[in-house]
Amino acid sequence: QVQLVQSGAEVKNPGASVKVSCKASGYVFTTYQIHWVRQAPGQGLEWMGIINPSGGGTTYAENFQGRVTLTRDTSASTVYMELTSLRSEDSAVYFCARDWNDRSLDYWGQGTLVTVSS
Amino acid sequence: EIVLTQSPGTLSLSPGERATLSCRASQSVRSSYLAWYQQKPGQAPRLLIHDASTRATGIPDRFSGSGSGTDFTLSISRLEPEDFAVYYCQHYHWPPVTFGGGTKVEIK
Repeated sequence: QVQLVQSGAEVKNPGASVKVSCKASGYVFTTYQIHWVRQAPGQGLEWMGIINPSGGGTTYAENFQGRVTLTRDTSASTVYMELTSLRSEDSAVYFCARDWNDRSLDYWGQGTLVTVSS
Repeated sequence: EIVLTQSPGTLSLSPGERATLSCRASQSVRSSYLAWYQQKPGQAPRLLIHDASTRATGIPDRFSGSGSGTDFTLSISRLEPEDFAVYYCQHYHWPPVTFGGGTKVEIK
């Protein structure tokens, strides 16, 4: 069955960087793009960007341009999201999700809580 | 960027009642790119409806989606206890993918 398993919770100081992983299984890794979406405490969903695991091509939301980098390791069927220059407002749960048919996000990881605090 | 506005913010209903949730887009969108998700506390969102009206795999038929242009609706015909959650609509036409602010369906 399709699974996206994310790395564990992180606590970071303001100004630091965080790198979250998302390991895919149950399907051919290179055939589906992966999105990243975050959710601040008690808030809605915010799209961050998308990566094509086949060629590595990426597109980022304007709000995160210059601070977020999506990469992949095809040998490990894993996608990574790195966010730099962290501030308190970046405290959120970060989700990876599989793209389905350029229409929607059909499978989601369990989420990774990132807390930014001094 | 297309903005999605969901209403109401909170819907208080009893099990067995019908729920009707609205999602309005700031400009006309293709139905193909409109989806609905359910999210329960502490969980990831779950895809319910894609292409505005097609249920995702394994979704019960009490969930239905409709609409076109700028106005879309998610209906739950008879609320089950497990349906009390937050529901989001989403427009897929990155960049960016956009989500509505959500409607919470709570037990009355």
